[in-house]
Amino acid sequence: AQSVTQPDIHITVSEGASLELRCNYSYGATPYLFWYVQSPGQGLQLLLKYFSGDTLVQGIKGFEAEFKRSQSSFNLRKPSVHWSDAAEYFCAVGASDSSYKLIFGSGTRLLVRP
Amino acid sequence: GAVVSQHPSRVICKSGTSVKIECRSLDFQATTMFWYRQFPKQSLMLMATSNEGSKATYEQGVEKDKFLINHASLTLSTLTVTSAHPEDSSFYICSATGQGANEQYFGPGTRLTVT
Repeated sequence: AQSVTQPDIHITVSEGASLELRCNYSYGATPYLFWYVQSPGQGLQLLLKYFSGDTLVQGIKGFEAEFKRSQSSFNLRKPSVHWSDAAEYFCAVGASDSSYKLIFGSGTRLLVRP
Repeated sequence: GAVVSQHPSRVICKSGTSVKIECRSLDFQATTMFWYRQFPKQSLMLMATSNEGSKATYEQGVEKDKFLINHASLTLSTLTVTSAHPEDSSFYICSATGQGANEQYFGPGTRLTVT
């Protein structure tokens, strides 16, 4: 069965430091992969997505993610974190049955130290 | 990008009453809409998938008679929580996708509190 694992429940980084949020997926074919960000009490905003092609994907707000098939990973990175990046981050994989369903990871809460 | 709205953003209702949440796609035709439930500090749990003009498909463990979903047009889906109880209090989020689209567009969510 498809699944998404975000091993870090929360991460704290200092403002200006680099960030990497981990995401591992279980999937039988080439996956559709997504990263979303959610501020408290808000809906989800798409940061970036991977369907095919270049394995390094650029997103909004200076985020990028790299698809590594050999490691079944799609980690999210940002070279310099801003205080406004503090939020909940969700990795998701598109279901394989053409239903457009998304399977979400459990999320990683990012805290930013001033 | 595509915009999805939800109404209301917050609702408080008394136990035993029903409450309706609307999800609208504002600038595209949503052939498929999804309803999620999110408990505090948890991930999104898919409740059901609805295709315009068809009955919704509910995920395992979701009571279809309690969470009524209607997708009568290509821009509107509604979720009605019937005979609400305090344990139904949650954050409900909808999303939508259109023909040929390869991503879901999310609404801002509705906070339901049942007293």
